[in-house]
Amino acid sequence: EVQLVESGGGLIQPGRSLRLSCAASGFTFDDFAMHWVRQAPGKGLEWVSGITWNGGTRHYADSVKGRFTVSRDNAENSLYLQMSSLRTEDTALYYCVKDGDVPAWGQGTLVTVSS
Amino acid sequence: DIQMTQSPSTLSASVGDRVIITCRASQSIGYWLAWYQQKPGQTPKLLIYKASSLENGVPSRFSGSGSGTEFSLTISSLQPDDCATYYCQQYNSYLQTFGQGTRVEIE
Repeated sequence: EVQLVESGGGLIQPGRSLRLSCAASGFTFDDFAMHWVRQAPGKGLEWVSGITWNGGTRHYADSVKGRFTVSRDNAENSLYLQMSSLRTEDTALYYCVKDGDVPAWGQGTLVTVSS
Repeated sequence: DIQMTQSPSTLSASVGDRVIITCRASQSIGYWLAWYQQKPGQTPKLLIYKASSLENGVPSRFSGSGSGTEFSLTISSLQPDDCATYYCQQYNSYLQTFGQGTRVEIE
């Protein structure tokens, strides 16, 4: 069974940095691209970033480009999102999502950016 | 980037009604479209993948169709448990995008 467990969220001041992690299990991690998707309180779903199976190509939404960096460690079956220069509008539940024919989602980790 | 236009934004129907939600892509995405159901406080639940494949455990009253740029999610007989917000997602490209969501209510 595919399992994706996010961690690293919390309350952080604007302008600071935070690193999210996603631990994957139940599938061959390095066979799949991975993504981060977020959902601000009361809002819809927003794709944030994606990374190919080997980390060779990374993509970002315009809203986070230049501030967020996605990475992965295939030896550790882990996905990461380094978030810097955080803004109040980055407040959201961040989901780790497995690519492929059948997408799979974690339960999310909440990031609150507030002074 | 591929834009996804989902309609309607809100839908009110009676128990037993047939309900259709549509999603239009700004360019062809083949059949790389998924539908999700989200209830308040819950993670989005995958209903349909590859436009028309029913995820394991999802009731057969849910079905998906379409390809290219036009897609639809049909609930054949609306049930009270179907009250939720539904999203489409294109995953044809690494820059994935979602529809704005459709809130389904029971009259």
